[in-house]
Amino acid sequence: QSVLMQPPSVSGAPGQRVTISCTGNNSNIGAGYDVHWYQQLPGTAPKLLIYNFSIRPSGVPARFSASKSDTSASLAITGLQAEDEADYYCQSYDSVLSARVFGGGTKVTVL
Amino acid sequence: QVQLVESGGGLVKPGGSLTLSCAASGFISDLYLSWIRQAPGKGLEWVSYISGSGARIYYAESVKGRVTISRDNAKNSMSLQMESLRVDDTAVYYCAGDSGDGVAYWGQGTQVTVSS
Repeated sequence: QSVLMQPPSVSGAPGQRVTISCTGNNSNIGAGYDVHWYQQLPGTAPKLLIYNFSIRPSGVPARFSASKSDTSASLAITGLQAEDEADYYCQSYDSVLSARVFGGGTKVTVL
Repeated sequence: QVQLVESGGGLVKPGGSLTLSCAASGFISDLYLSWIRQAPGKGLEWVSYISGSGARIYYAESVKGRVTISRDNAKNSMSLQMESLRVDDTAVYYCAGDSGDGVAYWGQGTQVTVSS
């Protein structure tokens, strides 16, 4: 059971917008620690998708965006494409655990 | 650009030992280097990390006392010595590097299987 809670799955039709929540508490996201998002395509290593709450690394399409509110963060994919079908993980730091932590991951399915 | 390549995975019996290695190309002296694992069908778990100087080290509770992380910046390498391996240590182990702004560098992963 991760301290960062994500829905196990979300789905959407091509072109739609989907969001993935990452719910923490006042010892991680609520304490102001950075949140990062990763995309893991089937059979591959994770890839950094968003860092420091909302910054996209070079090469990441603009249809990926992220935000933070209080003790939670969210990742949005607008204009969903078939190639976006993957697992997505949020990650932050937890001061109680004194550890970097991942969310449990969310599988995005393109219908 | 930093590239990371893991080696040393394999099949080991419960109670056995294994050493994972990570060879890096590019400048890594300022990077935190980590081992992050993924059990079959499961999510990501941060196993251990070591700071650029080696002064700061973290171990997950699940492996504390059984693993030792080390790095050699002169040889652009990092390793993870694992002992008293258990069935639930079975996973793909990724070598990863970051400068504090998310893990930007990942290896391809090496499979560790603990089974009798």
